Amino acid sequence: DTGVSQDPRHKITKRGQNVTFRCDPISEHNRLYWYRQTLGQGPEFLTYFQNEAQLEKSRLLSDRFSAERPKGSFSTLEIQRTEQGDSAMYLCASSPNIAGVNYYEQYFGPGTRLTVT
Amino acid sequence: SQQGEEDPQALSIQEGENATMNCSYKTSINNLQWYRQNSGRGLVHLILIRSNEREKHSGRLRVTLDTSKKSSSLLITASRAADTASYFCATGNTGNQFYFGTGTSLTVIP
Repeated sequence: DTGVSQDPRHKITKRGQNVTFRCDPISEHNRLYWYRQTLGQGPEFLTYFQNEAQLEKSRLLSDRFSAERPKGSFSTLEIQRTEQGDSAMYLCASSPNIAGVNYYEQYFGPGTRLTVT
Repeated sequence: SQQGEEDPQALSIQEGENATMNCSYKTSINNLQWYRQNSGRGLVHLILIRSNEREKHSGRLRVTLDTSKKSSSLLITASRAADTASYFCATGNTGNQFYFGTGTSLTVIP
């Protein structure tokens, strides 16, 4: 399967703990996005990478959140000192740049559901 | 804050009927996309319409865009039980940020 994969699929953690999620985009997709989705809402943009460069960050991304894409392939999203309000589905998406043209269609992974107790 | 808002929030129809959902947005856009999400899953891209297009078709899907009214509609014809899902519009400008609406929950009754 060459789709976007995310790991883990589910994570339960206690308040105050740190968690890290991983996203593997579709091979050769140079654009990678992280979103957060709470129940009954649409995805909220968190951050965007083009290759290894983090080009956009939402105001939603507090200083407890950090994202990396060190080699321009997989990405990690870390949440430090988790709070109950961080409970949500964290979605990763990727999209290609073909022959210098950015494609806007995003391919989403299955998400990581985080529960903070 | 999210830019798009879908209407209605929930829609229930019989199999074979058409389903129409609407999306309104606030600022100028480069493109608008529609996505489907089955319960507890990731989103699947359905169709993209650019700001200089007014209508687009893909299979049983028809999308319209009215930039003067900052609105779009998604029509699903001859609905099937498998179309039961949440549908979201997403607006983009530079391609670096996309804003999703709150979604329309569609139930197709067999």
